[in-house]
Amino acid sequence: GAVVSQHPSRVICKSGTSVKIECRSLDFQATTMFWYRQFPKQSLMLMATSNEGSKATYEQGVEKDKFLINHASLTLSTLTVTSAHPEDSSFYICSARGTQGGENIQYFGAGTRLSVL
Amino acid sequence: AQTVTQSQPEMSVQEAETVTLSCTYDTSESNYYLFWYKQPPSRQMILVIRQEAYKQQNATENRFSVNFQKAAKSFSLKISDSQLGDTAMYFCAFMNTGKLIFGQGTTLQVKP
Repeated sequence: GAVVSQHPSRVICKSGTSVKIECRSLDFQATTMFWYRQFPKQSLMLMATSNEGSKATYEQGVEKDKFLINHASLTLSTLTVTSAHPEDSSFYICSARGTQGGENIQYFGAGTRLSVL
Repeated sequence: AQTVTQSQPEMSVQEAETVTLSCTYDTSESNYYLFWYKQPPSRQMILVIRQEAYKQQNATENRFSVNFQKAAKSFSLKISDSQLGDTAMYFCAFMNTGKLIFGQGTTLQVKP
């Protein structure tokens, strides 16, 4: 299957700082990328959907000024958690969809564990 | 709105045995896709199997197969000859408008 690389895998930061997470599709062009948040032993909660070159669409209840998403190219999307606070600590997962292996298949990154002290 | 329900939070199976994970969904659409994803302890989401709603034939991928009952809006996953590496959280997912909607997940433990 297609490969989605997510970096970093783990980040620890101080409260009030900003953290950037990168998501890259390595062997296909991702027309759409998705960002999810997952709490322990729970399902994935969709935060936002982004298409290359356009503004992200955020799900209800997700603060777009807190979670900045940029999808500047067909292979890269970034999520920036601005002024992070302990309640932002979570597991963040990106996903990409393109034409590799079928248009309606989403491939996932390995996730980023964010800990805010 | 579409919803996906997995009513079994946890299940266990002996190695080499067969286990079936349940999933039901609710939609008024006729064209959609259904998926099963696996999330092992590494937390990497892995696509297990995919089914297009317009196809009557149940999808199979090696030891994994589905029982797709469109009228009943049911999409169960059968794992045959269970292996220790199958231990993971399994998510059923629905896609219609381009977004995946996940169920709550079922944690499967394969016992030696």
